[in-house]
Amino acid sequence: SQTIHQWPATLVQPVGSPLSLECTVEGTSNPNLYWYRQAAGRGLQLLFYSIGIDQISSEVPQNLSASRPQDRQFILSSKKLLLSDSGFYLCACQRTANYGYTFGSGTRLTVV
Amino acid sequence: DQQVKQNSPSLSVQEGRISILNCDYTNSMFDYFLWYKKYPAEGPTFLISISSIKDKNEDGRFTVFLNKSAKHLSLHIVPSQPGDSAVYFCAATTRGSYKYIFGTGTRLKVLA
Repeated sequence: SQTIHQWPATLVQPVGSPLSLECTVEGTSNPNLYWYRQAAGRGLQLLFYSIGIDQISSEVPQNLSASRPQDRQFILSSKKLLLSDSGFYLCACQRTANYGYTFGSGTRLTVV
Repeated sequence: DQQVKQNSPSLSVQEGRISILNCDYTNSMFDYFLWYKKYPAEGPTFLISISSIKDKNEDGRFTVFLNKSAKHLSLHIVPSQPGDSAVYFCAATTRGSYKYIFGTGTRLKVLA
């Protein structure tokens, strides 16, 4: 079965600072990978997804970017954080289309 | 445009009684639906799913009902237990799609 490692668990960053969140997957190869954000009082918003190395699709124009330098590594980045970037960030993987997602444990990001 | 809606942000139920969580969708192309359960500071975990060729799927205390004509699905938990207290997300997709669209979640509180 798949295992997702996501870190850090919590992060407090000042406005204007850079961001790098990393997610790695074990137990499967060539997975589909996703970054979701859960903002306060809102549902799970899809930010980026990737069906292969260096193949990134962006769902929502914003201050963030994603990269997939290796098959089982997915990185969420920002050059300059905004207050509105605060939220709970979740990495997810999917073995193939039509399978459910496996989620990581999430990162609570607070931008101050 | 919220394609998947959970109109009840919260629900309280007495232990041992039935919990009914509702979800509505607008996209008639959706043909696969899932429910996820999420505890605070953790990633969501898969609970139960249903394909559009069925109108009911049961797994232990959890049953999902699908009404395609009304574009409505519901999750029934019987009997409810305090450990069921969590946020529940419904999600929908089209077979072959890489993306699940999540609702905004319903916070269930089961009172002992």
